[in-house]
Amino acid sequence: QVQLKESGPGLVQPSQTLSLTCTVSGLSLTSNSVSWIRQPPGKGLEWMGVIWSNGGTDYNSAIKSRLSISRDTSKSQVFLKMNSLQTEDTAMYFCARTAYYYDGTYYYGVMDAWGQGASVTVSS
Amino acid sequence: DIQMTQSPASLSASLGETVSIECLASEGISNDLAWYQQKSGKSPQLLIYAASRLQDGVPSRFSGSGSGTRYSLKISGMQPEDEADYFCQQSYKYPLTFGSGTKLEIK
Repeated sequence: QVQLKESGPGLVQPSQTLSLTCTVSGLSLTSNSVSWIRQPPGKGLEWMGVIWSNGGTDYNSAIKSRLSISRDTSKSQVFLKMNSLQTEDTAMYFCARTAYYYDGTYYYGVMDAWGQGASVTVSS
Repeated sequence: DIQMTQSPASLSASLGETVSIECLASEGISNDLAWYQQKSGKSPQLLIYAASRLQDGVPSRFSGSGSGTRYSLKISGMQPEDEADYFCQQSYKYPLTFGSGTKLEIK
């Protein structure tokens, strides 16, 4: 079955760089796309970016200048790096498979499998 | 970016009651809308996609409807396990955007 699992440091100092890893199983990264989504404590969800099955990426323009998503297909891992962290970056960070379901006329985008999340606190 | 305005922010319902949650998109999204359920301390789970299609394994008491800019999620007969946060999300244009969420509690 499809599984995703995030890992990374729980605590990052302000102005430093966050590095997270999403390790997947039950799917191939060369035929599946993975998004990163974050959720500040008690708040809503923010889509951060996606790495497509062909290795291309798209980012949320609000954080594009600070964000990089990459992957190692041989290890079934997707990486997130975000620099210049501030306290407002404190959040739960999720990776999720981004799929497109076809109904015969249109492709509908969904995030149909999620990791458990990695809690990140930005504090000195 | 497409803004998703979700309402209400919170509601409480008795067991067996029917509840509705709405999402209004800032522009037409051609039914490219999904609903997610997030239980306390857990990750979101896909309930509905394409505005009205039930994801495999989701109970039939959940249903979605809408078109254009207005969409809704209905739970027909509230169950204890339905206590959760619910989010809408559009995939019509990037960046993908979510509604602010609805907290559903048992009365």
